[in-house]
Amino acid sequence: GNSVTQMEGPVTLSEEAFLTINCTYTATGYPSLFWYVQYPGEGLQLLLKATKADDKGSNKGFEATYRKETTSFHLEKGSVQVSDSAVYFCALTATNKLIFGAGTRLAVHP
Amino acid sequence: NAGVTQTPKFQVLKTGQSMTLQCAQDMNHEYMSWYRQDPGMGLRLIHYSVGAGITDQGEVPNGYNVSRSTTEDFPLRLLSAAPSQTSVYFCASSFALLAGGGADTQYFGPGTRLTVL
Repeated sequence: GNSVTQMEGPVTLSEEAFLTINCTYTATGYPSLFWYVQYPGEGLQLLLKATKADDKGSNKGFEATYRKETTSFHLEKGSVQVSDSAVYFCALTATNKLIFGAGTRLAVHP
Repeated sequence: NAGVTQTPKFQVLKTGQSMTLQCAQDMNHEYMSWYRQDPGMGLRLIHYSVGAGITDQGEVPNGYNVSRSTTEDFPLRLLSAAPSQTSVYFCASSFALLAGGGADTQYFGPGTRLTVL
């Protein structure tokens, strides 16, 4: 079946550190892949997406590349800020629905 | 443009009570869905709708009903609340499906925090 596996959190970093959050997936066919972010007390919002192999999604300094050969979509940012503290969800499309990973909490300290 | 709105923000129920969580969107989206969010489990799909008059079950539909009489509204009904339904509920909507049947970028409401005693 379709599934998404994310690295467990929490991830704790100092400001300006490099961020990687791992995401791997299992899917039939060729899903689209997404990263959503949830700030405290809010709903989820789309951070970036990629719709086919080798596509790179990017937004607000975050990047992720759709790697079909390793079935991965790792999220990276070169220099995190305190304002990036949130929960990050990797997701993929399956017929008529999105399948989410469990989420990874990121805490960035000054 | 209000986006996706949900009411109420918080609700406490006793076991066996029923209630309806409201969801509305003003973006003329065809696709709407309900998720529940539980610690360590991410978001799980409860029900979804691909247009007015059409609904289908998601991953965890038991104990919940939905209907879609208009494009704008997609209420979620708890028939007889149980403590296992204590969760945060999110409604989401999106434009027409991507080619191949996958859901497009979804816009989420702010959530309803439900506690069942």
